[in-house]
Amino acid sequence: RKEVEQDPGPFNVPEGATVAFNCTYSNSASQSFFWYRQDCRKEPKLLMSVYSSGNEDGRFTAQLNRASQYISLLIRDSKLSDSATYLCVVNAETSGTYKYIFGTGTRLKVLA
Amino acid sequence: DGGITQSPKYLFRKEGQNVTLSCEQNLNHDAMYWYRQDPGQGLRLIYYSQIVNDFQKGDIAEGYSVSREKKESFPLTVTSAQKNPTAFYLCASSGDSYNEQFFGPGTRLTVL
Repeated sequence: RKEVEQDPGPFNVPEGATVAFNCTYSNSASQSFFWYRQDCRKEPKLLMSVYSSGNEDGRFTAQLNRASQYISLLIRDSKLSDSATYLCVVNAETSGTYKYIFGTGTRLKVLA
Repeated sequence: DGGITQSPKYLFRKEGQNVTLSCEQNLNHDAMYWYRQDPGQGLRLIYYSQIVNDFQKGDIAEGYSVSREKKESFPLTVTSAQKNPTAFYLCASSGDSYNEQFFGPGTRLTVL
């Protein structure tokens, strides 16, 4: 089982749609969680950190479910500019060292 | 503006040559990281450094070397021992080992 798993997609959705991505992780000792956005041939950019209580930033909502070991990202009112790959990142302590584990990403295409 | 810079953006190398990729940050971050990204794959950790003059191997360190003589700088050398060096190389930094990372724009290395 991969340490961090994401559905690769692509998710093809019309403008204005609501879309949700999930990401599962295997290490129950994981400490911090993030969603990044990566455009084609560009670097990942932090979209949002994911807090235990859940957090919202405009059209984006992130949630953490520790019991089931997954995080989610909800995008409301999708825009064409939301088309990108969304990376799930989990930080966990292993043998006294914190490591960031990256999912392979979920591709989103928002269609006009 | 605070940020991370990487140079060059594109790099072409002949087989058997060593090349050094530059990474500089002015975010006053202690931790710095090098990742490699191949098409359709997640980011894989090459080396990381949590403080000046100290660094550790990541998951795929063979054929690479680094130094951390200054807080701001973390250059990566891709040696001729790296069997498949063509990839997108990303440098990142973070204020500590478990909060969000910030990425440079990347260097795309092609071995001819």
